[in-house]
Amino acid sequence: GIQVEQSPPDLILQEGANSTLRCNFSDSVNNLQWFHQNPWGQLINLFYIPSGTKQNGRLSATTVATERYSLLYISSSQTTDSGVYFCAVKRVQGAQKLVFGQGTRLTINP
Amino acid sequence: DSGVTQTPKHLITATGQRVTLRCSPRSGDLSVYWYQQSLDQGLQFLIQYYNGEERAKGNILERFSAQQFPDLHSELNLSSLELGDSALYFCASSLRGTGLFSGELFFGEGSRLTVL
Repeated sequence: GIQVEQSPPDLILQEGANSTLRCNFSDSVNNLQWFHQNPWGQLINLFYIPSGTKQNGRLSATTVATERYSLLYISSSQTTDSGVYFCAVKRVQGAQKLVFGQGTRLTINP
Repeated sequence: DSGVTQTPKHLITATGQRVTLRCSPRSGDLSVYWYQQSLDQGLQFLIQYYNGEERAKGNILERFSAQQFPDLHSELNLSSLELGDSALYFCASSLRGTGLFSGELFFGEGSRLTVL
């Protein structure tokens, strides 16, 4: 099956810092989503971005499908940004399921 | 609020017991997916239903079963529970479930199962 690798696995930053999270995948995809899992366990949709660039407030994402990677940018971090960020992809061929990476755990200290 | 509703939010039970988790998809969504999140395995796909029919199967144990009803809600049945079944179980829905593009998946808040 498709492999999804996220880096870094852990990231600790001070409030106000910027960060870049990376997601590499091993096959062609036609669905890529970024999620934030907050400390209460909720999975919150951040971006649906199989290709191109999107921005939503302090967050933005870019997917370069031809090179099989996606980046999530968080600017001016706040403590509420803490949690685990997941990238999930669906292969062009095959079942409709999303395959998740192992996540990046982000801790923002005040 | 994603629009996907899962009940119960928390469940504590004993080994050997059986539980049922329920999911109502977003209005208009035809496809339902079940995922299991445990500490050591991450988020694992279990099974997908589209408009009442099973479409894809993942790492779902034989002790587990699911179905999607005519009103499109879904239930995940877990039986002969073991300690290792303790996990967060998520349901997700999407508009489509067939063809090349599934569309965006939206997740419920999850059902946290603890097996003692």
